[in-house]
Amino acid sequence: NAGVTQTPKFQVLKTGQSMTLQCAQDMNHEYMSWYRQDPGMGLRLIHYSVGAGITDQGEVPNGYNVSRSTTEDFPLRLLSAAPSQTSVYFCASSRGSIGYGYTFGSGTRLTVV
Amino acid sequence: QKEVEQDPGPLSVPEGAIVSLNCTYSNSAFQYFMWYRQYSRKGPELLMYTYSSGNKEDGRFTAQVDKSSKYISLFIRDSQPSDSATYLCAMNPPNFGNEKLTFGTGTRLTIIP
Repeated sequence: NAGVTQTPKFQVLKTGQSMTLQCAQDMNHEYMSWYRQDPGMGLRLIHYSVGAGITDQGEVPNGYNVSRSTTEDFPLRLLSAAPSQTSVYFCASSRGSIGYGYTFGSGTRLTVV
Repeated sequence: QKEVEQDPGPLSVPEGAIVSLNCTYSNSAFQYFMWYRQYSRKGPELLMYTYSSGNKEDGRFTAQVDKSSKYISLFIRDSQPSDSATYLCAMNPPNFGNEKLTFGTGTRLTIIP
């Protein structure tokens, strides 16, 4: 059981480049979310999904796109990278809504120069 | 003002001491309260999950919720060096479950051997 797998672990991008952060879970969880973590800001929700084909925006969605074509995968796309998107990105999944906690991946450290 | 406030620390205590970590919140509709532990360069992991007011104990950890004061606490008894980590409180907003958690900024804790 791998849990939540994020790739890559580290990435450096130039301003204006695009890329996709990958997230996969093997626990058959319905709920998946993307968070970014910045010093002094805590974890902030970018996008989330409550099932395949269903996504919605979180607190800081601008500059990011998501899709959920399968239960297992929930990629996060940066459309045109900006230095403000330098952060640590965490993907998380949960079995359900009330009463269940999230399982987090180990994170992707992204630097935009 | 943030919906969830948490003292960022850092907090350093000697091994064996009792640790008290706290969060305050402003939204009286929050229903479920969680504590996550995050080791350096790792994703958060769920530590405790409580609903409504009262105490919940799990080994050396006790989670306490006081909804009348909008205040939650995590107590660690007989603290160990392995407890050194950042502790994040989290709670769910009204009408949502785990898919839209609101996190505190985290308290960095160091247990000194």
